[in-house]
Amino acid sequence: ETGVTQSPTHLIKTRGQQVTLRCSSQSGHNTVSWYQQALGQGPQFIFQYYREEENGRGNFPPRFSGLQFPNYSSELNVNALELDDSALYLCASSLSGRATDTQYFGPGTRLTVL
Amino acid sequence: GIQVEQSPPDLILQEGANSTLRCNFSDSVNNLQWFHQNPWGQLINLFYIPSGTKQNGRLSATTVATERYSLLYISSSQTTDSGVYFCAAKTGANNLFFGTGTRLTVIP
Repeated sequence: ETGVTQSPTHLIKTRGQQVTLRCSSQSGHNTVSWYQQALGQGPQFIFQYYREEENGRGNFPPRFSGLQFPNYSSELNVNALELDDSALYLCASSLSGRATDTQYFGPGTRLTVL
Repeated sequence: GIQVEQSPPDLILQEGANSTLRCNFSDSVNNLQWFHQNPWGQLINLFYIPSGTKQNGRLSATTVATERYSLLYISSSQTTDSGVYFCAAKTGANNLFFGTGTRLTVIP
């Protein structure tokens, strides 16, 4: 059974640029959630995708957008990067969209915005 | 959303010592998970425990849902236990709300 994978592991961008982060869910899981973790903080929920539809969104601006593909992998896109977007971005997959499902996290993508 | 508070924020232990980490939450929960974040940032699942008690080796966890808290016990700590421990909870929503973590340092 393959776990959650993310790419790339590290990324450096400059202010104003756009970035795409990728996540492959664990085998058999159809739900992907994205979180942002700033230094010294707990992860903050960005949004969740369930069967290719957005299924909940946290307090993040519209320049944070996402996609989920038919194989349930997912992308997080961030436009017009700001310095405060520097963080660890974590993807989690779960078996379905039920609130009681366990979420399993990938290793994360560390984004630095200069 | 639900408020999750963890204590203590920092903990330094001698190898072999035992410890208890606490997580308080502000509402009833249908999902509560404990994680260990390693130095590379990976969140490792420790327990899914919205209520009751579970044990896994040297680790155990108890959630008292009616009193809105959960405890993580680490016995006979080892240097590899070092890292940040997070508690995260859901209350009907689809996202986990995380606490600010407990940073554990185990010294040899």
